[in-house]
Amino acid sequence: EPEVTQTPSHQVTQMGQEVILRCVPISNHLYFYWYRQILGQKVEFLVSFYNNEISEKSEIFDDQFSVERPDGSNFTLKIRSTKLEDSAMYFCASTRQPDYGYTFGSGTRLTVV
Amino acid sequence: GESVGLHLPTLSVQEGDNSIINCAYSNSASDYFIWYKQESGKGPQFIIDIRSNMDKRQGQRVTVLLNKTVKHLSLQIAATQPGDSAVYFCAETTNTGNQFYFGTGTSLTVIP
Repeated sequence: EPEVTQTPSHQVTQMGQEVILRCVPISNHLYFYWYRQILGQKVEFLVSFYNNEISEKSEIFDDQFSVERPDGSNFTLKIRSTKLEDSAMYFCASTRQPDYGYTFGSGTRLTVV
Repeated sequence: GESVGLHLPTLSVQEGDNSIINCAYSNSASDYFIWYKQESGKGPQFIIDIRSNMDKRQGQRVTVLLNKTVKHLSLQIAATQPGDSAVYFCAETTNTGNQFYFGTGTSLTVIP
């Protein structure tokens, strides 16, 4: 069964450093998403991406965040200057149609120290 | 903003019994709902969905019920198995479908 692949599975970074979280969505999917989940809390929407541009973003997704689809297979989330409160599980997801269920990746656990 | 919440944060059931997990939502414009299962260390896994033009949908051992009048969603798992132990989230969206709003989650523990 096709999977959404995320790397790394765990990243530790110092506060103020830049991180890039990587995702390989399912190959025939066109809509891509990043969500995050702070430990013990809800899964929260960050951003949706379609046709090489952001479709929608939440208030969490401020100017410290950016997304990119650098080639035909990767979808990345960059945090320019990490803060302690950015520590969370970051999930990438993709779908063929936006009003159908996504397929989520297994997540990247980001720890900012 | 929109609010999706779960009535019970934890649920323990005996293996073989049926489980019912509940969810309340507040956005009357929501028209598509999904139940996700999340096992430890993994991403949310799609279980079953339902659109607002339906009030019941069945899958393999799972049934989702939607009551739009009271904005309530439930997930019923028949003959619960140890492998069903996980956190279950409901998520809802409007017909734009760009973002889903997730509930807090209910932790289901199946006792062998």
